[in-house]
Order: sequence, then C-alpha cells, then structure tokens
Amino acid sequence: GAVVSQHPSWVICKSGTSVKIECRSLDFQATTMFWYRQFPKQSLMLMATSNEGSKATYEQGVEKDKFLINHASLTLSTLTVTSAHPEDSSFYICSASPPAGANQPQHFGDGTRLSIL
Amino acid sequence: TQLLEQSPQFLSIQEGENLTVYCNSSSVFSSLQWYRQEPGEGPVLLVTVVTGGEVKKLKRLTFQFGDARKDSSLHITAAQPGDTGLYLCAGALFGNEKLTFGTGTRLTIIP
Repeated sequence: GAVVSQHPSWVICKSGTSVKIECRSLDFQATTMFWYRQFPKQSLMLMATSNEGSKATYEQGVEKDKFLINHASLTLSTLTVTSAHPEDSSFYICSASPPAGANQPQHFGDGTRLSIL
Repeated sequence: TQLLEQSPQFLSIQEGENLTVYCNSSSVFSSLQWYRQEPGEGPVLLVTVVTGGEVKKLKRLTFQFGDARKDSSLHITAAQPGDTGLYLCAGALFGNEKLTFGTGTRLTIIP
C-alpha cells in the first residue's frame, strides 16, 4: 500500500530556532501533499496544500512566512517552521494521495511532535 | 468553522458492547473517509465511502454513507480493547482534493 514517511518524529528546540520537517512518499509520486497541525485532544486542521513545482496554498489564518513549504520533487515536501516559539508546539502531520483516479484516499505520515522550549 | 461534527466526543464502554459514532455536516461530500489514530501516530485509513447510501463492512466495523452524502456513521460490534483510539471522519468536497476532518471521537474500551 501507499506509504508516507515523515522525519523527524520528535523535535525539541529552543525558542527562535527554525525547524525543518520532511515528508516523503515512498512508493508513489505525489504532485500534491498536505500539511496538518493537531493540538492536544483536538482534530487535524489543514495548514496548507503543497504543490510540486509551484507555490503552496495556505489556509486562512496560516502565516506563509512563518510556515515555509517547499515541494521540489514528486516524492518530497518540506515544512520549515521559522523562528519557532512555544505556541508553535504541536503535532505536525503530512499526507499524500496516489495520483490514479478520483476519490483516492490520503495516506498519512506518522507525524512530527514539535516542542519549543 | 468546523464542517464535520462528530458525536459523541468521548465514549467509554465495556468490552463486548456495541457502539455507533456519528459524523454530520450540512455540506455534501464527494467522498468520506474514516480514520483511526493512536497517540503519537498519524491517522490510519479504515474505509472510504463514495456512493450515497453505501454500506461497507470491515470485520466488526460497519460504515454507512448517508443517502444525501452529508453524514456517515461507524458502528462497532462487540468492541474490544484494541478498538481504543481516536476515530476521525474526513470529507472531500466535489472537485477538491482537500480533506476536512471531523471533530473526532475518542473511544475507550474497558477490558
């Protein structure tokens, strides 16, 4: 089945640090990947849609200069949290869909827990 | 605005009991998916339903998509401790790949 890998799984760093999270589709090419954020005891909230070879599309209220997305290849999207602060601490999850046909389900990475001290 | 409301938000029942989780919206979806998420992990797909009125079964789990494609339900028969987790429905609007997640149902099965 479709596999999506996310790295790192856990990051702890000081306030002001920039943190990069990678999302890879291991056995399929993904022109589109999605980045979500999940706060404790809450559901997933879509942050942005990552498009290969073009700019990401951000959801309302998500700062594009704060959360930089790069989708340079068909198997890799990265999310960089710039100058992270404690309020950015969250569980970040990416997903991707295999390209064939409509209504293809999204497959999710295992998430990255980001803790900013 | 949360497009998909799940109920109940929390559910704790004894092993062997049956339960139903509901996912409701005023929007019409082209497809709807159910996921289960364990702590510290990403959601794992359980099922996708695409046709109004569709019923799918996965062992002890039965999923139904509403006739109007606005709602869905997940029924678990004879719940087991391994069913414990966060259950999420997620819908895709027509012509849009983006998923909107439901508010989630945290299920605990007591041995």
